[in-house]
Order: sequence, then C-alpha cells, then structure tokens
Amino acid sequence: RKEVEQDPGPFNVPEGATVAFNCTYSNSASQSFFWYRQDCRKEPKLLMSVYSSGNEDGRFTAQLNRASQYISLLIRDSKLSDSATYLCVVSADSWGKLQFGAGTQVVVTP
Amino acid sequence: DVKVTQSSRYLVKRTGEKVFLECVQDMDHENMFWYRQDPGLGLRLIYFSYDVKMKEKGDIPEGYSVSREKKERFSLILESASTNQTSMYLCASSPEDRAYEQYFGPGTRLTVT
Repeated sequence: RKEVEQDPGPFNVPEGATVAFNCTYSNSASQSFFWYRQDCRKEPKLLMSVYSSGNEDGRFTAQLNRASQYISLLIRDSKLSDSATYLCVVSADSWGKLQFGAGTQVVVTP
Repeated sequence: DVKVTQSSRYLVKRTGEKVFLECVQDMDHENMFWYRQDPGLGLRLIYFSYDVKMKEKGDIPEGYSVSREKKERFSLILESASTNQTSMYLCASSPEDRAYEQYFGPGTRLTVT
C-alpha cells in the first residue's frame, strides 16, 4: 500500500472555476504536510506547507484532517498557468525524508 | 537564484555498465537527496545526505550507492545498471533548518538497454 494516495485525475477545470482535490496518508506518525507543484517535464517545486488549522496562499487553500488522515488543496479562480501536477507530500521526521504521492493532474481550459 | 544542476538530461547505458549521476548545488545547503520518479509511483527516495561524507538509505537503496565528498556535490552510482533502473532521476537539496523545502534539479532521464 502506498503511503500517500492521490487521485491521478486529470481534473479538467474551466478558467475561473474552483477545483479541489484530496490526498490520504497512511502513516499516523506523519508530522509535516506539503503540496508541491510539478509542471510538465519540469522539476517539482514547493507550493505551500499545510498547517493544522488550514492555511491560504493567495488563491490556494490547504486543509489538514489528522483524524481522517487526509490533506486537501483548493484552487480558486483557476488560471491557465495553474495547469500542472500537484504532489501531496508528508513527512514523519525532521531530516527532510519526504513521502510523495504520485500526483493529481489539473488541466485548466480556456 | 537557487540552483541545482545535474550532469546530464538524457543518458543511455547498457545493462551491466557502471553509471555515475552527478548533482551540484550552489546554495550551501546541508541536505541533499536522490530520488527516482516513475509513472504512477511518484518520487521515491533512494539516498540522502545531511552532511559531507554522511549518507542515509532512503526507501529504495538497493542497486545504488552514493558519494558526498564535498558539500555542494552529491553523486549517485549504479554499480551494475539493470533495465529496471530505467527512470527519471532527480536530485534535490535543502537547508538544514527547513529540510522539507527541497530544491530540485532538472532531472536525468536514464535509459538502460
């Protein structure tokens, strides 16, 4: 069983719409949670950390539900440039040993 | 600007060859990582290093070794390449105090025939 599970998508979203997707993690000892973004044929880049109380970064909102062991990401007012694969990432230590999900592909269409 | 570079974008090797993948970062980061990325499996950690000459096994170290003689350079070695090591290899680095904030190189697409 994978430690981090994501719906691979693709999620096809009209420009300006809202899209949300989740990931689940299996290790209850996970302490830190993140979303990375990977553009087609590019390297992953940190999008945002996910805090217990939920947090926003512009049009992006991340939520954490420790009891159910899932993390969500919501994108408001989608832009064409939001088209990418979003990687859910969890960590159970402070050494930077990250567990990556396989990613959710988002395609924003005009 | 933060930069992680990898020695090759594309590499084709034959089964049984010894393969060296080089990674260099210019950010004075303490931590460095090697991952492989395969469709449907995501990134999987092969090895990481939190200091010069230190190395730790990741989730899939079998068939690989690493070397970190200088802080800025982290090498991945495939002692005897096999076809199941055909993959995209990504190197990353991060600062000691924000180990989760990993900066990735562009990747090396390795094909073993």
